[in-house]
Amino acid sequence: EVQLVESGGGLVQPGGSLRLSCAASGFTFSSYEMNWVRQAPGKGLEWVSYISSSGSTIYYADSVKGRFTISRDNAKNSLYLQMNSLRAEDTAVYYCARVNNILTGPYYYYYMDVWGKGTTVTVSS
Amino acid sequence: SSELTQDPAVSVALGQTVRITCQGDSLRSYYASWYQQKPGQAPVLVIYGKNNRPSGIPDRFSGSSSGNTASLTITGAQAEDEADYYCNSRDSSGNHFWVFGGGTKLTVL
Repeated sequence: EVQLVESGGGLVQPGGSLRLSCAASGFTFSSYEMNWVRQAPGKGLEWVSYISSSGSTIYYADSVKGRFTISRDNAKNSLYLQMNSLRAEDTAVYYCARVNNILTGPYYYYYMDVWGKGTTVTVSS
Repeated sequence: SSELTQDPAVSVALGQTVRITCQGDSLRSYYASWYQQKPGQAPVLVIYGKNNRPSGIPDRFSGSSSGNTASLTITGAQAEDEADYYCNSRDSSGNHFWVFGGGTKLTVL
């Protein structure tokens, strides 16, 4: 069964750090790009960060750039999100999601076809 | 960066057809993907690419696109379709970001 399982969430004080993990199983993790997506309480989905299959290409949303670091260990089938200098507005459920693509005509189109159940991060004093 | 705009809420009578729309400049370059999210659950992909459904998604779900607008249509809405629906695409401004719409709360009456 294709599965993603997040862990590492919890309660942290403003300015603190947390490291999230996402364990992948049931597919060849090293072949897929990955995203982190978050959802603040009662709010919509927000893309956080992207990493290529090899880890060589990384992108961040402006809201987390300079504070969060995405990484992966293909040997361990794991994705990570190191979160530093946390703020109250980082409070959210964090999901990892597998990126897939489809070739339509001359172009590839990307989507997220597998999601974990999420891990909750609460930033509060 | 690009934005995707969705109506906050839409309602449909049981068994009727409903269209949920998503507008944004990036949709002129990229097809939207659509995600269904029920309370307390993770998002689930329902439509991707031009009009593709993952296995397990009922064929009453379909997608279309015209200009800067993408649409998700549910033909014959069922009670279990009541959920939040989000559109998503890559940002076309060259920053490689991914963009979500604000979400549409679908109520099945």
